[in-house]
Amino acid sequence: DTGVSQDPRHKITKRGQNVTFRCDPISEHNRLYWYRQTLGQGPEFLTYFQNEAQLEKSRLLSDRFSAERPKGSFSTLEIQRTEQGDSAMYLCASTTGLDTQYFGPGTRLTVL
Amino acid sequence: GIQVEQSPPDLILQEGANSTLRCNFSDSVNNLQWFHQNPWGQLINLFYIPSGTKQNGRLSATTVATERYSLLYISSSQTTDSGVYFCAGPNAGNMLTFGGGTRLMVKP
Repeated sequence: DTGVSQDPRHKITKRGQNVTFRCDPISEHNRLYWYRQTLGQGPEFLTYFQNEAQLEKSRLLSDRFSAERPKGSFSTLEIQRTEQGDSAMYLCASTTGLDTQYFGPGTRLTVL
Repeated sequence: GIQVEQSPPDLILQEGANSTLRCNFSDSVNNLQWFHQNPWGQLINLFYIPSGTKQNGRLSATTVATERYSLLYISSSQTTDSGVYFCAGPNAGNMLTFGGGTRLMVKP
């Protein structure tokens, strides 16, 4: 257990539905990152926050993807109008500054 | 941003054997991380190693930043070492770029 938690661990949804994932970082970590991992590939960066500020979001895969970290603690990643190609593992990581990133267990999304 | 390549992509070992995994990166980096991903998908930190050599039990890692590569050594491998090993280097803001991974299977 790295101290980073994600919820839910698994999500099955039908195409066209909206889904939201939550990440709770290690409490003293001010930076929070989201990554996506498809089968057989390494994780791919999506977006990150420093405290409540979203500092990079150009790598979000489409405008259907959005993320928030309203109080600088937990974060949510939302996917609207899901497509089958969104099926993947969504990973969250936290850190302080440029230090080691600690990853949560991931949310595995299946879009039918 | 940087590009990260790992080799070999797949590795099968007999329990007790030693192995070396390699990570090449396209540009100089100020840190490099090695991870082990278990069968349930959890990424476990192994090393944060911008340069030099570190050891943790049967595992050790060496990064030669001037030559843009890092090596992960596994000695006396065990079946529990099976899984996927990733290296990752940072872009601005510490956004990690991962290699494609080395899939290790250790047979009893």
